[in-house]
Amino acid sequence: EDQVTQSPEALRLQEGESSSLNCSYTVSGLRGLFWYRQDPGKGPEFLFTLYSAGEEKEKERLKATLTKKESFLHITAPKPEDSATYLCAVHISGGYNKLIFGAGTRLAVHP
Amino acid sequence: DAGVIQSPRHEVTEMGQEVTLRCKPISGHDYLFWYRQTMMRGLELLIYFNNNVPIDDSGMPEDRFSAKMPNASFSTLKIQPSEPRDSAVYFCASSLSGPGNTIYFGEGSWLTVV
Repeated sequence: EDQVTQSPEALRLQEGESSSLNCSYTVSGLRGLFWYRQDPGKGPEFLFTLYSAGEEKEKERLKATLTKKESFLHITAPKPEDSATYLCAVHISGGYNKLIFGAGTRLAVHP
Repeated sequence: DAGVIQSPRHEVTEMGQEVTLRCKPISGHDYLFWYRQTMMRGLELLIYFNNNVPIDDSGMPEDRFSAKMPNASFSTLKIQPSEPRDSAVYFCASSLSGPGNTIYFGEGSWLTVV
């Protein structure tokens, strides 16, 4: 069964304290991995797409990486405005043209 | 660009009542998605359309749920009759070219069935 697991469920950081969020997947065929940010009361907002192992994407304090089994979202020197839920999603092949979302990691960055 | 527009933003209804959620996708996007988000199950795809045609409705929970897309700029998700377990946030989203490309979400319709 195709599965996407995110860890940790919740993470509390001090401002400036770098860390990483994990997204591990067990799928029949990965066509792409997506990271989204979701603020309370809002819809998910697109951050990155990764397509192949070894690929990296960066945006401000965020960097996403991809291996054959998992993806990491690295947050460098976070600020309080980085507080949000971060969702990863995998686009799978094999006849199922859909995204499967993980449960998300709730990040809180305190000043 | 106005983004994906959903209405109502909040709805409280009594069990057994009909609920209709509405969505206007981003102009020019050929794909429209309906998702449901709950604490227990996360974000789940209910149904998606390509050029107004339903492509995959395998996520629709049961016959009480129905979705239509009469034209490229409007879609509805209907629940009849509603039940308390339908309480969730329902998101509409759209993309230029399918689930494997960037999907843009609306702000959601928060449904509470009492």
